[in-house]
Amino acid sequence: GQQVMQIPQYQHVQEGEDFTTYCNSSTTLSNIQWYKQRPGGHPVFLIQLVKSGEVKKQKRLTFQFGEAKKNSSLHITATQTTDVGTYFCAWGSGYSTLTFGKGTMLLVSP
Amino acid sequence: AAGVIQSPRHLIKEKRETATLKCYPIPRHDTVYWYQQGPGQDPQFLISFYEKMQSDKGSIPDRFSAQQFSDYHSELNMSSLELGDSALYFCGTSGSYEQFFGPGTRLTVL
Repeated sequence: GQQVMQIPQYQHVQEGEDFTTYCNSSTTLSNIQWYKQRPGGHPVFLIQLVKSGEVKKQKRLTFQFGEAKKNSSLHITATQTTDVGTYFCAWGSGYSTLTFGKGTMLLVSP
Repeated sequence: AAGVIQSPRHLIKEKRETATLKCYPIPRHDTVYWYQQGPGQDPQFLISFYEKMQSDKGSIPDRFSAQQFSDYHSELNMSSLELGDSALYFCGTSGSYEQFFGPGTRLTVL
């Protein structure tokens, strides 16, 4: 069956450092979504990637979808304390159920 | 903008009791998803509804049931509660590819 690994599980950085989380699938994904969940909060949609090799940017966040559509990454440049939270990759779509990766918890120290 | 509403926000029950969680989707969103998130875990899909019909089923115990009503709100009914049912229960709704999550109901079973 399909297996998706999200790494790392946890990362602690100093404010201003960069951060990257990766999702790697054993099979081709039709799309991948990224969500952020603040401590005590609910998942909030960040972006969806659909095309092979797609790269999208949102301010300091850069999202990539691999050429083979088996892996994806979220990179944050110059982290801020407001970036604290757990970042989940997820696959499926709004019209079908989402399956979430295990998440990467990001802690940013000032 | 209107968001997903869940009630109650917190619920404390004892073992073997029943609980009912409610979800009110964003207006014009016809699809509702229920997820269970244990402490430090990723959200796990339970069940979904589209146009008041069950559309998909995940890891929902037989002790749980759910339905979507004519006004599109949904209720998750949980019976014979167990300690392991303590979790955050999210409702997600969608009108397109992204899912919008409610703030969740934190259920504690004592």
